[in-house]
Amino acid sequence: QVQLVQSGAEVKTPGASVKVSCKASGYTFIGYYIHWVRQAPGQGLEWMGWISPNNGGSNYAQKFQGRVTLTGDTSINSAYMELRRLRSDDSAVYYCARAEGYSKFDFWGQGTLVTVSS
Amino acid sequence: SYELTQPLSLSVSPGQTASITCSGDKLGHKYVCWYQQKPGQSPVMVIYQDNMRPSGIPERFSGSNSGNTATLTISGTQAMDEADYYCQAWDSSNVVFGGGTKLTVL
Repeated sequence: QVQLVQSGAEVKTPGASVKVSCKASGYTFIGYYIHWVRQAPGQGLEWMGWISPNNGGSNYAQKFQGRVTLTGDTSINSAYMELRRLRSDDSAVYYCARAEGYSKFDFWGQGTLVTVSS
Repeated sequence: SYELTQPLSLSVSPGQTASITCSGDKLGHKYVCWYQQKPGQSPVMVIYQDNMRPSGIPERFSGSNSGNTATLTISGTQAMDEADYYCQAWDSSNVVFGGGTKLTVL
C-alpha cells in the first residue's frame, strides 16, 4: 500500500534551517510529483512547491522562492524539504503529498511539526 | 496570483444536505479537488477532477464545477462528516488551496 512517512518533530531557533524528509513506499517513486504543503496552527493549507523525482524538476510558490529547496533521492525513495532563515511564523505542520503530474493529491504524509522559537 | 474563496463555516443538521462552495475566476475551466481534514489528521481527498469520487469515499459526497464556482455536496450529512474542507486547483504550474470551510453537524 502507498505510504509517505515523514521525519519527526523539530524545534528550531529563528534564523536556523530545517530539513524534513518524506519516505515513499508502495508505488513507483519516480512516477509522481512530491508536493509540500504546510498548515500553521488553526490555519488553512498553504502550498509550498513540488519536485519531480524523475528528473529533479521543481517549482516553488512565489512566497517561498529563495528560502526553500526541494530535493529527492531516488536511491532511497525519499524527498526532502529544506526551509532556511526560519521565523516564528514558519511554525507549522509540514506535509508531503504525492500527485501524478498536474493532478490530485491522493496520498499524504502524516505531517511534521516544526516549531520555531527562541 | 490566483485565489480560491470558500465560506468560513457552514452548519447543517444530521441528514440534511451540505453544499460547500469554492469560487475563483473561470474556475470551471480548471479541475477542482476537495479534501476533508479532521482535527489532528492529514487531509484526505474526497473528490477529484470536479466530480470523481476516490474508492472508499461514500456516495453521499459529490462535486460539480461550472462558471466561477465549484461545489462540494454532502447528501444525508452524518456526524462523522464534521471536518474542515478545502478546495484545490492548479493555476499554471502552481497549486492553489481555498481557505477552508469548517462544517459543523449539529
